[in-house]
Amino acid sequence: EAQVTQNPRYLITVTGKKLTVTCSQNMNHEYMSWYRQDPGLGLRQIYYSMNVEVTDKGDVPEGYKVSRKEKRNFPLILESPSPNQTSLYFCASSSLGPLYQETQYFGPGTRLLVL
Amino acid sequence: QKEVEQNSGPLSVPEGAIASLNCTYSDRVSQSFFWYRQYSGKSPELIMSIYSNGDKEDGRFTAQLNKASQYVSLLIRDSQPSDSATYLCAVNDDSSASKIIFGSGTRLSIRP
Repeated sequence: EAQVTQNPRYLITVTGKKLTVTCSQNMNHEYMSWYRQDPGLGLRQIYYSMNVEVTDKGDVPEGYKVSRKEKRNFPLILESPSPNQTSLYFCASSSLGPLYQETQYFGPGTRLLVL
Repeated sequence: QKEVEQNSGPLSVPEGAIASLNCTYSDRVSQSFFWYRQYSGKSPELIMSIYSNGDKEDGRFTAQLNKASQYVSLLIRDSQPSDSATYLCAVNDDSSASKIIFGSGTRLSIRP
């Protein structure tokens, strides 16, 4: 089954404790992206990647890091989480990216609470 | 800051009627436009994408794009209770072909 998986689905942590949210897709997609969703603000793009070792900032990259060492994986790293990073996070992938009008397939989401 | 604006709703429409959702965007040179549906507690899923001015129909859904006026709309004909969801408008950011900007979404409620 074609899918995007994220782990963990739920996470409660404390300020400053480094964490990683994993994202994996099995569709051989070039493009992967991370979003956060907050009430009233919609989805905001954090980082995206067009291919292995190619990443770029979205609209809200501060406080986040990503890496793309393998085509299928695109982990999101919070080096020193803060309460304002409490949010619902989605990973997504598509074959070529938004310019080509392609469907982005979203993962199930990771709900993060930073105390 | 490039923006995508949507009325947050809720928009209440009787079952069987046409639901009309609107979206305006600030980037004059955006080329790709998307409508996603998101049920409560679930991930967004693509409903329609549109590239050219005019209408694009897919079943009960019609996307309309007017680049001169910088708006894109989604019409849902014969609305069903299962259409009750939040609808997200998204636009590619032409400063980078791989960036995408989402609106905050319109909550649609179909009343039986």
